[in-house]
Amino acid sequence: AQSVTQLDSHVSVSEGTPVLLRCNYSSSYSPSLFWYVQHPNKGLQLLLKYTSAATLVKGINGFEAEFKKSETSFHLTKPSAHMSDAAEYFCVVSDMDNAGNMLTFGGGTRLMVKP
Amino acid sequence: EAGVAQSPRYKIIEKRQSVAFWCNPISGHATLYWYQQILGQGPKLLIQFQNNGVVDDSQLPKDRFSAERLKGVDSTLKIQPAKLEDSAVYLCASSFGINEQFFGPGTRLTVL
Repeated sequence: AQSVTQLDSHVSVSEGTPVLLRCNYSSSYSPSLFWYVQHPNKGLQLLLKYTSAATLVKGINGFEAEFKKSETSFHLTKPSAHMSDAAEYFCVVSDMDNAGNMLTFGGGTRLMVKP
Repeated sequence: EAGVAQSPRYKIIEKRQSVAFWCNPISGHATLYWYQQILGQGPKLLIQFQNNGVVDDSQLPKDRFSAERLKGVDSTLKIQPAKLEDSAVYLCASSFGINEQFFGPGTRLTVL
């Protein structure tokens, strides 16, 4: 069975300061890991994904995440927050097998960006 | 390319009534998913289709929820009868094989 724990339900940063959203996962297989962002009243958008290639993954809008197998973590970072980054962020694990792409979502972290 | 389309965007019903949601996936995407997202939580998979066949419906409350994808393209999710705890956003997603899932804007259901 797979599971995801997002360690902070809310994170507040000032514009221009670094962002760190924490995620730990549990998986029986070699997982694929994703970060999705959800802006109010909009669909989920993929930020980045890890699929057993490079452990440091770069995504859209300056976000990146590092896969650390020994720590079972996949934290999301950004060097400098922008007001437009305020949204809900979901860490997602997938055990891709012959049955398909079964995504398990974390509970979400709401990022607030102060001017 | 056009994204995943869902309708309606919002729906308000009273408990014990019935409701249906519609999803049209991205053209060519054989795999279609329905998720339920309760306020303050991450989305939870309800059912996954591969073409018109069900791959996984283990988390679908089958006593009141049903879904179909008769022609392997668009899909309908139905709740009959609705309960208060069904208030949520219902998300549809599609993918080409086992690749990235693309999500629609969702249908926000309020059950009074």
